[in-house]
Amino acid sequence: AQSVSQHNHHVILSEAASLELGCNYSYGGTVNLFWYVQYPGQHLQLLLKYFSGDPLVKGIKGFEAEFIKSKFSFNLRKPSVQWSDTAEYFCAVTLGGFQKLVFGTGTRLLVSP
Amino acid sequence: EPEVTQTPSHQVTQMGQEVILRCVPISNHLYFYWYRQILGQKVEFLVSFYNNEISEKSEIFDDQFSVERPDGSNFTLKIRSTKLEDSAMYFCASSERAYEQYFGPGTRLTVT
Repeated sequence: AQSVSQHNHHVILSEAASLELGCNYSYGGTVNLFWYVQYPGQHLQLLLKYFSGDPLVKGIKGFEAEFIKSKFSFNLRKPSVQWSDTAEYFCAVTLGGFQKLVFGTGTRLLVSP
Repeated sequence: EPEVTQTPSHQVTQMGQEVILRCVPISNHLYFYWYRQILGQKVEFLVSFYNNEISEKSEIFDDQFSVERPDGSNFTLKIRSTKLEDSAMYFCASSERAYEQYFGPGTRLTVT
C-alpha cells in the first residue's frame, strides 16, 4: 500500500541549529508533495508544496524542501531554526490523480532558546 | 486571511448516538474534505466532496458516515451511530483547486 514515512518522530534542537526532517513515500507514479505544520494549539497550515518544475521549493518562514525523485524523498530543511519553529511537522502526498492527502506520522520539533 | 472554521471544538457523545460535525469552508473553494486523527496515530483521509457529490472516500468512510453541503456555506459530517473507536480529532479542509488543501482547527469527538 502507498505510504509516507517520516523517520524522526521527535527532534530537539537549539536555536540557530540547522534542521532537516526526512520524508519518503512509496508510490511509483505521479505525486504532489506537501509539508504541513501544526503549531501548539493551532490547526494544520500549509508550509510548502511541490507539484512540478524546480525540485527545490521554498515555503513560508524560511523553510525549503527538495524533491529527489530517485530517492522518493521530500526532505524539509531550514538553515537556522528559531524557538517559534517549535511545532509538529507533517509530510503528505497526493498520489496520481487522486485528491486525498496521505500523511506521514509527523515529527515533533522542539527548539530550545 | 480567510480560514476554514469548524464547530463545535469539542463534542462528547454516548455510544450509539448520532453526531453532526460542522465546517464552513473558505468561501470561493470548490473542493471539501474530511480527515480524522485518532490520538497517537496518523491523520487519515475520510472523504472528498466536489460538485455536490462524493468524489473519493476511504475504507473508513462506511455506511455510518455521510456528508452534506446543506447550503452554500456549510459542509457537514454525520456519524449515524457512534462507536468508541470513532473518538478522534476530525479535520475539515477545503481547496480552490484540487490538491492544495487548507485545514480547519478540528473537532475533538469523544465517544463514551
